[in-house]
Amino acid sequence: SQKIEQNSEALNIQEGKTATLTCNYTNYSPAYLQWYRQDPGRGPVFLLLIRENEKEKRKERLKVTFDTTLKQSLFHITASQPADSATYLCALNTGGFKTIFGAGTRLFVKA
Amino acid sequence: GAVVSQHPSRVICKSGTSVKIECRSLDFQATTMFWYRQFPKQSLMLMATSNEGSKATYEQGVEKDKFLINHASLTLSTLTVTSAHPEDSSFYICSARVGQGPETQYFGPGTRLLVL
Repeated sequence: SQKIEQNSEALNIQEGKTATLTCNYTNYSPAYLQWYRQDPGRGPVFLLLIRENEKEKRKERLKVTFDTTLKQSLFHITASQPADSATYLCALNTGGFKTIFGAGTRLFVKA
Repeated sequence: GAVVSQHPSRVICKSGTSVKIECRSLDFQATTMFWYRQFPKQSLMLMATSNEGSKATYEQGVEKDKFLINHASLTLSTLTVTSAHPEDSSFYICSARVGQGPETQYFGPGTRLLVL
């Protein structure tokens, strides 16, 4: 069956360090992959999209990689700040209108 | 950026009653709207997809007679949870899509439903 896996354990890092979150998927051939931020009790906010023919995408302190052979995406936040503390969701879209989400990884950045 | 609102943000109701949740795109017309449900520490699960003026397409396992979706206009979709039960307690999130790519999909702030 189709599955998106994100590390269910929270990630705790010190302010200023780089946070790296992992998203693995099986039985999909996504046309693109997205990362969202979700704060408690709020809806997701779109951060970045990377297409299947792109290896890496950057936006300010954010970087996403996409390895279609490994079926994995890595999401990096450099120079992390306490305000980056949130749940980060990986999502896949196979080219249609459906977006399928992972359960998310909770990030805590300590000052 | 585009804004999607939901009303109410929280609702508590008694078992057996029906609850209506509104989703509005405030500054754009949405070609498609989506309804998701999210249980604590779980992923958003797509419930249904709707286009203005046509019947919603429900995901497998979602009862269309229990979760009534009305997409009355390009800026408004409603989800009615009929005869709600405690197991329907969840976080309901709508989203609206303005273009073709997933980056044009904007999410509402969610509605927390608690059924007693």
